[in-house]
Amino acid sequence: GAGVSQSPSNKVTEKGKDVELRCDPISGHTALYWYRQRLGQGLEFLIYFQGNSAPDKSGLPSDRFSAERTGESVSTLTIQRTQQEDSAVYLCASSRQGAASGANVLTFGAGSRLTVL
Amino acid sequence: RKEVEQDPGPFNVPEGATVAFNCTYSNSASQSFFWYRQDCRKEPKLLMSVYSSGNEDGRFTAQLNRASQYISLLIRDSKLSDSATYLCVVNAAAGTSYGKLTFGQGTILTVHP
Repeated sequence: GAGVSQSPSNKVTEKGKDVELRCDPISGHTALYWYRQRLGQGLEFLIYFQGNSAPDKSGLPSDRFSAERTGESVSTLTIQRTQQEDSAVYLCASSRQGAASGANVLTFGAGSRLTVL
Repeated sequence: RKEVEQDPGPFNVPEGATVAFNCTYSNSASQSFFWYRQDCRKEPKLLMSVYSSGNEDGRFTAQLNRASQYISLLIRDSKLSDSATYLCVVNAAAGTSYGKLTFGQGTILTVHP
């Protein structure tokens, strides 16, 4: 597609439920990132996929969080047994390569706003 | 110490003012640097990359000081439309996390008439 697509755009769930967030990156982008942004806060790195390399999971806050990516396409972020502190906007971004190269731009989706009651 | 630190502001300036933001990073081996802009309730978008020799894009000038591990953004002749949060972004050093981008907390800018 033309941009990074995320779904759902909004999700309200009850504490203790599992949620799955989806990201469809720009076609041909080998790098995919998940970030979390709590209200009024900065972006918190969660996980990074680059091609067929092992993902960098160093930002996942607990074992309730996991993410998968199928090849160089769709990624899903799963949060099990949601807690109120998981409420945030979950942003996905993709780039043509690992964005260390100045020529590669990180393009963000509009985010999935998660509210845990 | 946070990997990337910014003064959160807010900066409130009149139209036409010049304003500068600084950002420091902790990993001396970091290799790429960027400024992103985030409007209220929107996703971040790339404003400009930061090159070693410094670079300019219209009213915006970015500087990198590797010795002191800081990056700056200068905005001249501020416009109302410049009101946003400015995010400093640094890549991870080479290695298994090469390409991982770390964002600062952001600096809030409000330009008023």
